[in-house]
Amino acid sequence: DGGITQSPKYLFRKEGQNVTLSCEQNLNHDAMYWYRQDPGQGLRLIYYSQIVNDFQKGDIAEGYSVSREKKESFPLTVTSAQKNPTAFYLCASSASGRIWTGELFFGEGSRLTVL
Amino acid sequence: GQQLNQSPQSMFIQEGEDVSMNCTSSSIFNTWLWYKQDPGEGPVLLIALYKAGELTSNGRLTAQFGITRKDSFLNISASIPSDVGIYFCAGRIRDDKIIFGKGTRLHILP
Repeated sequence: DGGITQSPKYLFRKEGQNVTLSCEQNLNHDAMYWYRQDPGQGLRLIYYSQIVNDFQKGDIAEGYSVSREKKESFPLTVTSAQKNPTAFYLCASSASGRIWTGELFFGEGSRLTVL
Repeated sequence: GQQLNQSPQSMFIQEGEDVSMNCTSSSIFNTWLWYKQDPGEGPVLLIALYKAGELTSNGRLTAQFGITRKDSFLNISASIPSDVGIYFCAGRIRDDKIIFGKGTRLHILP
């Protein structure tokens, strides 16, 4: 089945450690996104990528890094510079070009807790 | 920056009641999207709207793209227990930018 897979679903880390969250999609979508969700805050965009080897900062990129070496993969690293990393992280993808409809398809999320 | 004001923040209703929620903004949007998120899961698209004035239904759900392109509403008729969750509106400003409201949390009382 086509979809977006995020891993791990739950992650605990000590303060000061870098953490990498995985996001893989087999929908053949060009665009991929990372959002952060905090209670009562909605979804805030961290980074997005429209094509391989290119990505753009979103609204809250500080303390995060990404790479897009393959179309299917868009990993997010939460660095020690992120002041408040405990949150629910959502990866999404969308088609582009003539078939693009603006719709985002989300993974199941990764909950990061920093102890 | 652009913001979406989604209301209400939360709703407590009886099973069988109809539900209405909306999103407003000072910015014009090209697309409105409504998502539902179950606890611990990613949001799932419910309805997408592409034209001002468009009214679209998906089962018991109905959504409209406001004529000014600055607002949208979602109605749920005859609510059932599985409707519980967080409903998000989202608006597309340009090809690569979609912003989300803060969500409406729906609770259904037994």
